[in-house]
Amino acid sequence: DAGVTQSPTHLIKTRGQQVTLRCSPKSGHDTVSWYQQALGQGPQFIFQYYEEEERQRGNFPDRFSGHQFPNYSSELNVNALLLGDSALYLCASSSGTGGPYNEQFFGPGTRLTVL
Amino acid sequence: AQKITQTQPGMFVQEKEAVTLDCTYDTSDQSYGLFWYKQPSSGEMIFLIYQGSYDEQNATEGRYSLNFQKARKSANLVISASQLGDSAMYFCAMREGGGADGLTFGKGTHLIIQP
Repeated sequence: DAGVTQSPTHLIKTRGQQVTLRCSPKSGHDTVSWYQQALGQGPQFIFQYYEEEERQRGNFPDRFSGHQFPNYSSELNVNALLLGDSALYLCASSSGTGGPYNEQFFGPGTRLTVL
Repeated sequence: AQKITQTQPGMFVQEKEAVTLDCTYDTSDQSYGLFWYKQPSSGEMIFLIYQGSYDEQNATEGRYSLNFQKARKSANLVISASQLGDSAMYFCAMREGGGADGLTFGKGTHLIIQP
């Protein structure tokens, strides 16, 4: 049973460019959440996708957008990259029908470096 | 105000000793969940233990237990008989409300187990 997978593993971009990160959820999961983890910090919630729609969003600008496909996989897009966007981007999958205990399974992350 | 506070940036512990990692939280919701994750240097977030706000007993999972003091809004992680492989970053996180929302993480504690 494959867990959460993310691609690419590492990515280097320059300021102003655009980037797309990809995530495939754990088998049986229909909800995907994205987090940004800056160096030395805890992850920060970006947004969550369920049934191909953005269900909840954290405090991130509109430069951060996403998409969920019918097979539940998801993309995170970041436009007009800034140096401060350099971080580890984590994807987590879960079941959309869960309550407060709705364990999120995390992928290995994509390390984005903006030069 | 921070929703999750972890006051120990780093800890050194001798192998086989027990260790307590502190976490306090802030919420006005009655229904919420508290999570602890371990993050090795590889970057992947590993789920350790969960405590629901309505759970009357402290959660336990193998060598991990959660010391839940609701009135103090405290959810400390206790690791018994620490092992060298326990060296990692540890994050406390909270989900508010009754739904499957994104997690709010603390800044983490870097735990180093010494032989």
